[in-house]
Amino acid sequence: SQKIEQNSEALNIQEGKTATLTCNYTNYSPAYLQWYRQDPGRGPVFLLLIRENEKEKRKERLKVTFDTTLKQSLFHITASQPADSATYLCALDMGGSQGNLIFGKGTKLSVKP
Amino acid sequence: NAGVTQTPKFRVLKTGQSMTLLCAQDMNHEYMYWYRQDPGMGLRLIHYSVGEGTTAKGEVPDGYNVSRLKKQNFLLGLESAAPSQTSVYFCASTLPRDGNYGYTFGSGTRLTVV
Repeated sequence: SQKIEQNSEALNIQEGKTATLTCNYTNYSPAYLQWYRQDPGRGPVFLLLIRENEKEKRKERLKVTFDTTLKQSLFHITASQPADSATYLCALDMGGSQGNLIFGKGTKLSVKP
Repeated sequence: NAGVTQTPKFRVLKTGQSMTLLCAQDMNHEYMYWYRQDPGMGLRLIHYSVGEGTTAKGEVPDGYNVSRLKKQNFLLGLESAAPSQTSVYFCASTLPRDGNYGYTFGSGTRLTVV
């Protein structure tokens, strides 16, 4: 079965630096890969989606890359701010008619002032 | 728009009791999902629906039932609650297979079974 690993449970960085989070998967490459942000006590919030034929996607200070050879996605937050502190979830969408996502366990990012 | 609304937000049940969690969305989404989130386990799919009147099992369906009688509502039922069902439950919805939209999640229901 498909497995997803997010590189670390927690990542601490200094304000202004670039945060880089990693999502690795096994077996089949997904049709789409999505990233979500989750704050304590709240539901996940969709951030970005990247397709298997796309190498990179950007949205404001966020950048996602997708390498199907390495079976890896990187999620970058540039010029990080304390408000970026949250748990970030990677999710794979294998396509097809089911339309359901397989989620990683998340990486908790803490940005210190 | 309210998005995805889950009720109740919190609930404590005794073992063996039953309850229904309600999910309502006002975005005319076709697909709806129920996930549970446990510490160290991530989000796991319980059941899902690809349209009104349809339901299907996800990764961890045992002990749960669902119904989608109306397009905007997706109900999750626990017939006989067990302590192992203590969790945070999230409902989500999305547009069907267009590849441009992520899921919209509700704010969750925190359920404790004692």
